[in-house]
Amino acid sequence: DAGVIQSPRHEVTEMGQEVTLRCKPISGHNSLFWYRQTMMRGLELLIYFNNNVPIDDSGMPEDRFSAKMPNASFSTLKIQPSEPRDSAVYFCASSENSAGANVLTFGAGSRLTVL
Amino acid sequence: RKEVEQDPGPFNVPEGATVAFNCTYSNSASQSFFWYRQDCRKEPKLLMSVYSSGNEDGRFTAQLNRASQYISLLIRDSKLSDSATYLCVVTFSGGYNKLIFGAGTRLAVHP
Repeated sequence: DAGVIQSPRHEVTEMGQEVTLRCKPISGHNSLFWYRQTMMRGLELLIYFNNNVPIDDSGMPEDRFSAKMPNASFSTLKIQPSEPRDSAVYFCASSENSAGANVLTFGAGSRLTVL
Repeated sequence: RKEVEQDPGPFNVPEGATVAFNCTYSNSASQSFFWYRQDCRKEPKLLMSVYSSGNEDGRFTAQLNRASQYISLLIRDSKLSDSATYLCVVTFSGGYNKLIFGAGTRLAVHP
């Protein structure tokens, strides 16, 4: 299995531009998570999907952030317009949807720099 | 109070040393506990789950104290390759088992 695949690995953009991060979860995993990691705030859960349905988006910072999961093998996290404070590493993670199986497998992350 | 708290470190130890990290959590209803390891500029990876009775995996021992609401990780005979950030992870029930990550404890093992 190729694991959780994220793209792009690095993105440098200017303030105001739209950013789209992509994620392909492990095949057969029903749960997908988007996390953001910064030095100041650590790992923060942004949104959680189960069977492609958003279950918890309470961590999404504001309306500039949106996430979709059109099918079981693909998810996007979009920031529009981007701001310098959005600079962070964004991780996608997936897990099996069975009792007790809370183990997350993370992708390698997308490092975003907004100038 | 943060939901999951860890000493950020860094813990600087020589090879062969024994080192222990603690982590406290605020929600007494938490059900599952884990330690993840994160190398510099890499993604977090599961190190081990933490069971009520305590569990061991080679040089690593994890323990849970529900009464005091803390979990611990003990690393014996430290190796240079153990240098990393160790993240304490706790599930909070609220419709689903939401994973809350601590900020991590940084370990640096030196020759």
